[in-house]
Amino acid sequence: QKEVEQNSGPLSVPEGAIASLNCTYSDRGSQSFFWYRQYSGKSPELIMSIYSNGDKEDGRFTAQLNKASQYVSLLIRDSQPSDSATYLCAPTSSYTGRRALTFGSGTRLQVQP
Amino acid sequence: NAGVMQNPRHLVRRRGQEARLRCSPVKGHSHVYWYRQLPEEGLKFMVYLQKENIIDESGMPKERFSAEFPKEGPSILRIQQVVRGDSAAYFCASSPSPDRTYNSPLHFGNGTRLTVT
Repeated sequence: QKEVEQNSGPLSVPEGAIASLNCTYSDRGSQSFFWYRQYSGKSPELIMSIYSNGDKEDGRFTAQLNKASQYVSLLIRDSQPSDSATYLCAPTSSYTGRRALTFGSGTRLQVQP
Repeated sequence: NAGVMQNPRHLVRRRGQEARLRCSPVKGHSHVYWYRQLPEEGLKFMVYLQKENIIDESGMPKERFSAEFPKEGPSILRIQQVVRGDSAAYFCASSPSPDRTYNSPLHFGNGTRLTVT
């Protein structure tokens, strides 16, 4: 089982729709969870962080965390063509010797105008 | 307040040459992480360094790759005798002290695109 699993996509949604991106992780001790956006040829950019169960909203973005199910998701409301990118999920590790983030392989989102 | 600075942005090497990639962390950050991203793939952790100390190199290939973060100057990722399979984007990220690292996100530099011909 991979440490972090994401559907590679592409996930195609029409402009104005809600895009739902999902991520499961294997480390039950993970405490913090980050979503990064990466445009083609660019570096990853942090867009959301979530630390406790439930929802966290920031503008058009909502992160949802369910630690019991080891599941974290990102919702993008009113999707725009500029949201077209790859979205990377990254939980922290509970292994004290490992402080680097492990990234999922990412979900490619395409927002159709 | 400059972010993580990486150079060069693009690097072309012939097979068998050496590649040196540099990373200057955010001012005041004492921890550096290197990741590699092959075309159409995710970010793979390579190495985590503190100044003058390698903390975790579990993602580093055993041969040809080395990393350092000296007391003064940038962190260096060195690839000896490059092969075509080393062609990738190499990203560096930095973070502050260990106590703050655990729950802190990483902020990345713009990366170095290495092409081996």
